[in-house]
Amino acid sequence: GAVVSQHPSRVICKSGTSVKIECRSLDFQATTMFWYRQFPKQSLMLMATSNEGSKATYEQGVEKDKFLINHASLTLSTLTVTSAHPEDSSFYICSARDGDFAPLHFGNGTRLTVT
Amino acid sequence: RKEVEQDPGPFNVPEGATVAFNCTYSNSASQSFFWYRQDCRKEPKLLMSVYSSGNEDGRFTAQLNRASQYISLLIRDSKLSDSATYLCVVNGAKKGGSYIPTFGRGTSLIVHP
Repeated sequence: GAVVSQHPSRVICKSGTSVKIECRSLDFQATTMFWYRQFPKQSLMLMATSNEGSKATYEQGVEKDKFLINHASLTLSTLTVTSAHPEDSSFYICSARDGDFAPLHFGNGTRLTVT
Repeated sequence: RKEVEQDPGPFNVPEGATVAFNCTYSNSASQSFFWYRQDCRKEPKLLMSVYSSGNEDGRFTAQLNRASQYISLLIRDSKLSDSATYLCVVNGAKKGGSYIPTFGRGTSLIVHP
């Protein structure tokens, strides 16, 4: 089955630092990747949609200068949380698909804790 | 009306029970439909796609009713390991050139001995 690898799985950083999260599709080419955030006991919240070679489309309320997304190839997208603050602590999950109506395949998620 | 609606539950059922979840969607142009399960503090995992003719995978049966704009998931002979949150996903709203999958809030299932 389709595999999406996400790293790191867990990161603890100090306030003001930046954190980069990688998302790779291992056995398929991902036409589109999505980045989500999930707070405890809440639903997945879509942050942005990323297509290879083009700028990401951010959801309302998500700061594009704070959450930098780069989709350099059909198998790799990165999310950089810049100048992280404690309120950015959350579970970040990427997903990828290989067609407009194909199912999403999720990475294992990254649990970010900002101290 | 929310784009994708699910009863949050929780559904609390004994082992061996049959349980059904429904999900309604508002965009009649939606093209593809899926059920995912999410365990606590884990990523969602694809359970099954939902096809117009209905489809079955072991103890799980999914159905789509386009006229009424709902999809369903039936779980037979529930196991303790079925305890999770079940997410309905509907793909059809286009934004910025991409079709965006829309998630329901999820239905919590608790299977007890």
